[in-house]
Amino acid sequence: EPEVTQTPSHQVTQMGQEVILRCVPISNHLYFYWYRQILGQKVEFLVSFYNNEISEKSEIFDDQFSVERPDGSNFTLKIRSTKLEDSAMYFCASSEPQGYEQFFGPGTRLTVL
Amino acid sequence: GQNIDQPTEMTATEGAIVQINCTYQTSGFNGLFWYQQHAGEAPTFLSYNVLDGLEEKGRFSSFLSRSKGYSYLLLKELQMKDSASYLCAGLYNFNKFYFGSGTKLNVKP
Repeated sequence: EPEVTQTPSHQVTQMGQEVILRCVPISNHLYFYWYRQILGQKVEFLVSFYNNEISEKSEIFDDQFSVERPDGSNFTLKIRSTKLEDSAMYFCASSEPQGYEQFFGPGTRLTVL
Repeated sequence: GQNIDQPTEMTATEGAIVQINCTYQTSGFNGLFWYQQHAGEAPTFLSYNVLDGLEEKGRFSSFLSRSKGYSYLLLKELQMKDSASYLCAGLYNFNKFYFGSGTKLNVKP
């Protein structure tokens, strides 16, 4: 069964460094999403992406964040100048038509020291 | 962001039926999702409601009332493996998702 994959599973970084989180969505999906979940808190929407551009972004998704689809398979989230409060689980998801079933990847746990 | 409210925690007995409620803000609302999330894992999709009424999917059903800004997830014939958090999420402006804090369901023997 097709699945969304994410790498790495765990990333540890120093405050102020840049990180790139990688996702491979399901191959025939057209819509891609990034979410984050701080430990013990709710899932928070970051950004949706369609047709090689951002469809919507949340208030959290400021200039520190960027997304890219560098080739036909990968979907990346870049976090510049990481802060302690960026420590969270980051989930990528993909779906076929807008607003229908989203398939989540297993997540990348980001720890900022 | 939009307020999505659901109870923090519920307990039910194996074999029983449990209803998890969710209320949401109706302005800009397009549809309501339910996800299951086991501890340390990613959410998995359970259901999606866009029209009023009940959607049934095996042991799980989800209901939506758009005029009342209300949804519920109904779990029947509870099994121990149903112990998890259940997340209510609203789709707004066709592109933005807002999640509730999740309802932790404890299923007891």
